[in-house]
Amino acid sequence: QQQVKQSPQSLIVQKGGISIINCAYENTAFDYFPWYQQFPGKGPALLIAIRPDVSEKKEGRFTISFNKSAKQFSLHIMDSQPGDSATYFCAASEKGGTSYGKLTFGQGTILTVHP
Amino acid sequence: DSGVTQTPKHLITATGQRVTLRCSPRSGDLSVYWYQQSLDQGLQFLIQYYNGEERAKGNILERFSAQQFPDLHSELNLSSLELGDSALYFCASGTSGLARYFGPGTRLTVL
Repeated sequence: QQQVKQSPQSLIVQKGGISIINCAYENTAFDYFPWYQQFPGKGPALLIAIRPDVSEKKEGRFTISFNKSAKQFSLHIMDSQPGDSATYFCAASEKGGTSYGKLTFGQGTILTVHP
Repeated sequence: DSGVTQTPKHLITATGQRVTLRCSPRSGDLSVYWYQQSLDQGLQFLIQYYNGEERAKGNILERFSAQQFPDLHSELNLSSLELGDSALYFCASGTSGLARYFGPGTRLTVL
């Protein structure tokens, strides 16, 4: 059962534009929502993360928006650059003891930023 | 460079065989997480170890096992391999229970 649904599967944006990737979850026990960036041939890298007690978190050009009632969260990449071209994964985790390591990942979005 | 090392980078083997994947976490990280990435299943959590003890288990097959040693490196053992086990296997490490740093992965091909 896929517990985190991610869309779109692929996204093409012009340089300087805004990239928006959306995720929806079902498990109301999830309370940690990270985003990972993966370049070809590399492992995923943690980009930014949010907990459900806030509705938005911004780090540089990357912003997570979180809607707890709708069980949805999204990643916004402002002023998108060709170097941002990668696969982006949303994820979610329940707190099991002190651990958020058991992540449930979305299916990924391949972002291409054209110069 | 995440600081997490995985060996080997590529592994090609035959059905029915057994392989061992190795992971060394970032210096100071006590937690090691194993993930499988395949085209059809995406990224799937397998298992987590913390300071030598199993902490959490995901959809790990009974043919798969893992352990974390006193020096904190971890090994993932895959046995009775099937074609469907072909995938990228990632190790991640972190502190505070967060899988923050992923290694470059081991690509397993079962022929």
